[in-house]
Amino acid sequence: ETGVTQSPTHLIKTRGQQVTLRCSSQSGHNTVSWYQQALGQGPQFIFQYYREEENGRGNFPPRFSGLQFPNYSSELNVNALELDDSALYLCASSFGQGFTEAFFGQGTRLTVV
Amino acid sequence: TQLLEQSPQFLSIQEGENLTVYCNSSSVFSSLQWYRQEPGEGPVLLVTVVTGGEVKKLKRLTFQFGDARKDSSLHITAAQPGDTGLYLCAGVRNSGTYKYIFGTGTRLKVLA
Repeated sequence: ETGVTQSPTHLIKTRGQQVTLRCSSQSGHNTVSWYQQALGQGPQFIFQYYREEENGRGNFPPRFSGLQFPNYSSELNVNALELDDSALYLCASSFGQGFTEAFFGQGTRLTVV
Repeated sequence: TQLLEQSPQFLSIQEGENLTVYCNSSSVFSSLQWYRQEPGEGPVLLVTVVTGGEVKKLKRLTFQFGDARKDSSLHITAAQPGDTGLYLCAGVRNSGTYKYIFGTGTRLKVLA
């Protein structure tokens, strides 16, 4: 167990709706990264938050947004959901900027219908 | 855009066999990580390689970073059913749009 928890574990939403996914980082970590993993593929980097500031972003549209709180937990928000947004959303907790040793949560499985 | 290609995509072998998984790119990475992911779980970090030509061993797993830091390999000796899972490489780039890139993944099944 990594100490990184994500909620909810599963979610079904309708196209056009908005969704918020949550991630609690491991104690002592100040960085959270979010990834989208489509079925059968490797994770795709969405963005990273370091000490409450966005610290890098992948090739995702602005309707994917995030937030990091003073306790370093984080939220991923997706607006105007599309069918292709159906995926496993993973967050990873680490210490410091960049991509050092990271611990992943179990993910949130989002299904858009 | 897929900058990190893994091969093979799927591999099914008998217990006790050896195997090698490759992770290739035309880009240079400052470091590269290997993960294993099991169904319903997040990826678990196995190793980080930083120096070109570096070799790291983790029990029966041997990881190598290419001299030019564009590719890597994972070799498993005497595979066990517990090695079954999705193996992912992930590269860190210091420049360009894509700073942290996961590979396409290799799904390994080891049969008892």
